Amino acid sequence: NAGVMQNPRHLVRRRGQEARLRCSPMKGHSHVYWYRQLPEEGLKFMVYLQKENIIDESGMPKERFSAEFPKEGPSILRIQQVVRGDSAAYFCASSPPAGGSFWGEQFFGPGTRLTVL
Amino acid sequence: QQQVKQSPQSLIVQKGGISIINCAYENTAFDYFPWYQQFPGKGPALLIAIRPDVSEKKEGRFTISFNKSAKQFSLHIMDSQPGDSATYFCAASRETSGSRLTFGEGTQLTVNP
Repeated sequence: NAGVMQNPRHLVRRRGQEARLRCSPMKGHSHVYWYRQLPEEGLKFMVYLQKENIIDESGMPKERFSAEFPKEGPSILRIQQVVRGDSAAYFCASSPPAGGSFWGEQFFGPGTRLTVL
Repeated sequence: QQQVKQSPQSLIVQKGGISIINCAYENTAFDYFPWYQQFPGKGPALLIAIRPDVSEKKEGRFTISFNKSAKQFSLHIMDSQPGDSATYFCAASRETSGSRLTFGEGTQLTVNP
């Protein structure tokens, strides 16, 4: 059973460009979370999605950032017009549907390290 | 009220010793408390987790102690090994609603041979 997959693993963008980060959850998982980790800091929640629905986006900046989890395909975190302050590691986590014994456990992917030049 | 405070920021332990990392939370609605281990360049890996209906949970060399009245929980690593050298994060969430994890600031553990 493959774990959470993220790509690309490393992404370099120039200021003003767009960054698209992809996340494929573990098989059978229907909940996806995105977190951001700045250098030497802990992880900060950004957004929580279920298939075709944004459940909680309270941690995501209102401008330039968006996320989706379509019915088919991976979850996408999109950052428009990137700035140097967006340089960070972005982690995706997934969890199984409610009611199972592992409900609430979040499993993380390897992350995408975004560098903005 | 959403914060989770973690200490110490860094910890150096000799091989075979006990590593202890502490966390305190404010939100009494939290009901799920996991610990994650992260190696450089990798994603966090779930290590062990506890729910507030028990005061202690042990898995191998790793033990979580939970004090609901004090709103504190801690990770104990017995017989620490150099391979345990990593950054450890405590976290908390309202599990029943499938909500986000609120992470502590992290503890960088170094186990000297």
